[in-house]
Formats: sequence, C-alpha cells, structure tokens
Amino acid sequence: AQTVTQSQPEMSVQEAETVTLSCTYDTSESDYYLFWYKQPPSRQMILVIRQEAYKQQNATENRFSVNFQKAAKSFSLKISDSQLGDAAMYFCAYRSPNTGNQFYFGTGTSLTVIP
Amino acid sequence: KAGVTQTPRYLIKTRGQQVTLSCSPISGHRSVSWYQQTPGQGLQFLFEYFSETQRNKGNFPGRFSGRQFSNSRSEMNVSTLELGDSALYLCASSLGTGPIHEQFFGPGTRLTVL
Repeated sequence: AQTVTQSQPEMSVQEAETVTLSCTYDTSESDYYLFWYKQPPSRQMILVIRQEAYKQQNATENRFSVNFQKAAKSFSLKISDSQLGDAAMYFCAYRSPNTGNQFYFGTGTSLTVIP
Repeated sequence: KAGVTQTPRYLIKTRGQQVTLSCSPISGHRSVSWYQQTPGQGLQFLFEYFSETQRNKGNFPGRFSGRQFSNSRSEMNVSTLELGDSALYLCASSLGTGPIHEQFFGPGTRLTVL
C-alpha cells in the first residue's frame, strides 16, 4: 500500500517568516497526484495546493509553493510570509487512479504561527 | 454555493448500538467519499460512492457500510459500535471520481462511543 510520511509532528514559525513542511511518500505508480490540505481548528479540510506527478514544474498558489522531487519521492510545502491564519494542521496526501483514487494521508504537521 | 454539510455534528452512543451519519454534497457533485479521523490512526479512507454505486472501499470491517441516494446524498452506517469507533467522520464530495477532481470536505461528525 502507498504510504505518506510527515516526519514533523509540530512546527512553529514567526509571523511574516517562511516555513517548510516535509513530506515523503512511497509508491511504485507513475501516475499520481500529491496534495497539501489544511485543517484549521474548525476542522474543515481545505485544499492548499496540488501537484500532478507528470508535471516537472513545481506548483504555486500565492504564498504557498511546493518542492516536488519525484526521484526522491519528496513533496515539501513552503509557506512564505506566514500569517496567523495559517495556523492549522497540515496534511500531505497522495492519490492515484491506479489505486482506487482514494486518498492516502500523512499523519499531519501542526503549524503554530507566533505573532 | 453551499458547501458539504454533515449531520449530526456531534453524536454520543454506547457500545453495541448502531449509528447513521448523513452527508449532503455540493450541488452537482456526484461523488461522495468518507474518511475516519482518529488521533492514533490519522485519516483513513472508508469508501467512495459515485452515482449510487460504491466505487472503492477501504480496509474497514463489514460493520461499516454506506449508501448513496439518487440525489447524491450519502449515508454511512456503523453497526455494533465499539469504543474504537470514536472518531471524527469526514465526508468529501467532488464532481467526479478521478484525482483531477478536487474533493471538498465537510465539517465532520464527531462520534463518541461510551
């Protein structure tokens, strides 16, 4: 089965600074998608960013960008100019049409933003 | 456009009972997926429905079941509740079943089994 590993249970960042959350995954598939989801204390999961494995260019969404290293099976999330509203649990997730399209989630990283 | 809604938001049951959770997807979405979230196991996939058919099922015992109605609303049922079933149950909807379709999550139902 596919596994997604987030080795940082907790991270903190000063407001306006940059932080990088790590994620590695294990798969033998070539066609897959990677995601970062944010779950604030209100609990509603929100998609932050997604990356298609066939795309070499790293995805970016405003202050959020990823560093996708396909050979290393690494998918880190960089948050620039951190804001108080970025405080949340962040989940890395994997999905592939060859494995039923279901999500495989990491265990999450709790991000604290310090004013 | 209204988001994914889940009812009830909180539920307390005792061991041995059964429970039914409901999920109303975003209008126009035909795919509904269910996930269980616990501190110990994290987020785990339960099942996915598309056009009233179960398309995929996670590694959960048969006590966990679901269905989808013609209006795409979905229910999941857990019979003979165990203490370990205490969790946040999340529902997500999308236009289609492939990963190209973004999944939108609901706020979840917090189930506590005593």
